[in-house]
Amino acid sequence: IAGITQAPTSQILAAGRRMTLRCTQDMRHNAMYWYRQDLGLGLRLIHYSNTAGTTGKGEVPDGYSVSRANTDDFPLTLASAVPSQTSVYFCASSPGTANEQFFGPGTRLTVL
Amino acid sequence: GQNIDQPTEMTATEGAIVQINCTYQTSGFNGLFWYQQHAGEAPTFLSYNVLDGLEEKGRFSSFLSRSKGYSYLLLKELQMKDSASYLCAVRDSNYQLIWGAGTKLIIKP
Repeated sequence: IAGITQAPTSQILAAGRRMTLRCTQDMRHNAMYWYRQDLGLGLRLIHYSNTAGTTGKGEVPDGYSVSRANTDDFPLTLASAVPSQTSVYFCASSPGTANEQFFGPGTRLTVL
Repeated sequence: GQNIDQPTEMTATEGAIVQINCTYQTSGFNGLFWYQQHAGEAPTFLSYNVLDGLEEKGRFSSFLSRSKGYSYLLLKELQMKDSASYLCAVRDSNYQLIWGAGTKLIIKP
C-alpha cells in the first residue's frame, strides 16, 4: 500500500453497537488525526496522536476512543453508537504537527 | 471562540478567474492551509501561507494578511475539473487545524 488507507469504506450500524474504524499509513508519519465531516460544517477533530504511544482529545471527543500502539495504525472506536455519530470519518497523517496533513479516503458511517 | 468564515457557494465560468475568500478568528496563528475536496473524496493539500503575501503555484495562488485575519485562494484559467469544494484551515496555538465549512465552486461551460 502507499499512503493512508481506511476500512471499512462504508457501514450501516444499529444504535448501541460497538464499532472500530481502521486507519493505516505507510509513510512513517509521526502525527495522525481523526476528523468527522458533516454537511454544512467544517471538518471537526475528534482525537489526535502526535507520536506513537500518545493521544489527545480534539474538539468533539465524546463517545469516541483511540489508541496508537505503533506508528502505522490509529483505530477509532465508537463504544456504543448513537444516530448523531452518523457522519463521514476521515483519518489523516502528517510527518509532524508543523506539516500539511494527508487524508485517507474516508468511512461513511450511518447509525440507525 | 474560534471561527473560520468562507462563502458557501460560488459560480464561475470555464477559463475565467475566481477568488475565494477566508476570514478567521483563532486562538493563535501558526499558518493557513487551503485544501481541495471533490465530491465524495478526501481533501487534498493545495497551499500553505504563514507569512503575509502571495504564494503562487501554477494556476493557483494564495494570499495572506495576518493583521486582517484574511486569506484568499485565486484560481486562474478555470477548468471543469476545478469544480470542487475549497477548504480553508488555520493552525492554532495548539498546532491543531481549525476548518472552515468550505466553499463549493461550480464551474459552468
